[in-house]
Amino acid sequence: EAQVTQNPRYLITVTGKKLTVTCSQNMNHEYMSWYRQDPGLGLRQIYYSMNVEVTDKGDVPEGYKVSRKEKRNFPLILESPSPNQTSLYFCASSQEPRDTQYFGPGTRLTVL
Amino acid sequence: GDSVTQMEGPVTLSEEAFLTINCTYTATGYPSLFWYVQYPGEGLQLLLKATKADDKGSNKGFEATYRKETTSFHLEKGSVQVSDSAVYFCALRTGFQKLVFGTGTRLLVSP
Repeated sequence: EAQVTQNPRYLITVTGKKLTVTCSQNMNHEYMSWYRQDPGLGLRQIYYSMNVEVTDKGDVPEGYKVSRKEKRNFPLILESPSPNQTSLYFCASSQEPRDTQYFGPGTRLTVL
Repeated sequence: GDSVTQMEGPVTLSEEAFLTINCTYTATGYPSLFWYVQYPGEGLQLLLKATKADDKGSNKGFEATYRKETTSFHLEKGSVQVSDSAVYFCALRTGFQKLVFGTGTRLLVSP
């Protein structure tokens, strides 16, 4: 089954404790993105990747890092999480830049 | 910059009622337009799309027409079901895979 998976689905952590949210797709897609969803703001793009070792900032990259060492994986790293990063995070992928994006199920992060 | 504005929710309807969720956009050039749906506890799924003016996207009884003259892409369904209860996002795409989303509209359908 074609899918985008994220782990963990739920995470509660404390300020400053480094964490990684994993994202994996099994469709051999080249393009992957991370979004955060906040009430009243919709989804905003954090980072995206056009291919292995090629990443770029989206609209709200501050406080986040990403890496793309393999085509299927695109982890989101929070080196020193803060409460304002409490949000619902989605990973997405697509084959070509203008193709339909497939979204993962989301990761709900709470930073205390 | 590019932006999407959609009506505030929640929209509360009874089953079999007619649904309209308004969406207008501001964009340079000729964006593609999308409606995504998010069911409770799930990620976003593409519901329908339109890539040029006057195109009509349709899926699962939902329709939306790309209106360039009014910069709108309103979502409609003739008869909603309880299972349609979800959050609906209007979005446009500009540039390189960059989706710009509206704030979402929650639809609640009661039996």
